[in-house]
Amino acid sequence: QLQLQQSGPGLVKPSETLSLTCTVSGGSISNSNYYWGWIRQPPGKGLEWIATIYYTGSTYYKPSLKSRVTISVDTSKNQFSLRLNSVTAADTAVYYCARQGRIGARPGVSVDYWGQGTLVTVSS
Amino acid sequence: QSALTQPRSVSGSPGQSVTISCTGTNSDIGGYNFVSWYQQHPDKAPKLMIYDVTKRPSGVPDRFSGSKSGNMASLTISGLQAEDEADYYCCSYADNYTFWVFGGGTKLTVL
Repeated sequence: QLQLQQSGPGLVKPSETLSLTCTVSGGSISNSNYYWGWIRQPPGKGLEWIATIYYTGSTYYKPSLKSRVTISVDTSKNQFSLRLNSVTAADTAVYYCARQGRIGARPGVSVDYWGQGTLVTVSS
Repeated sequence: QSALTQPRSVSGSPGQSVTISCTGTNSDIGGYNFVSWYQQHPDKAPKLMIYDVTKRPSGVPDRFSGSKSGNMASLTISGLQAEDEADYYCCSYADNYTFWVFGGGTKLTVL
């Protein structure tokens, strides 16, 4: 059974960098049928896609966040990571890592496995 | 402001059917047959209920069905059950710049 385990701090100071890692177990992150992404959900609000990566290193970013976001993959550790810099209170959210399907040579919008979610609070 | 528009809330009695709409544009729903629907219970991760407009993942009851017409997608839940009470989110593949857009979510109340 595939599992996605998230790790990273739950509290980040304003203007600093949010860093989260998602470790995949029970399957390979190098499986060519899937992409790996991050989605967030501010308290009481809806879902927002942030970024997606393929095991080869190809990346896809939400345009409005692209200047602040970096997604990376480490196939040797079966992990992928998210960095969001210059955070503000508006970045406070539950962050999920996810396995996405594919649409041809692009990431799809169906997620069949999710991480447990990490509440990241931006506060001094 | 979400890219896709959903009603904030819908309700129905046990055994009834409800339909949740999701309205987009030619650049997302209208342009591609890649609409997904997620169910989310409080403090839980979302669960995929429908993908590729009409397909159900293994284990999802056939009471859940999806459709699309033009720029609008719909999720219909028939034979409502108490455990269907949750938030539902639609999403769609968009163009090669935007990739993935979500609706704002619909709260389903089972009366």
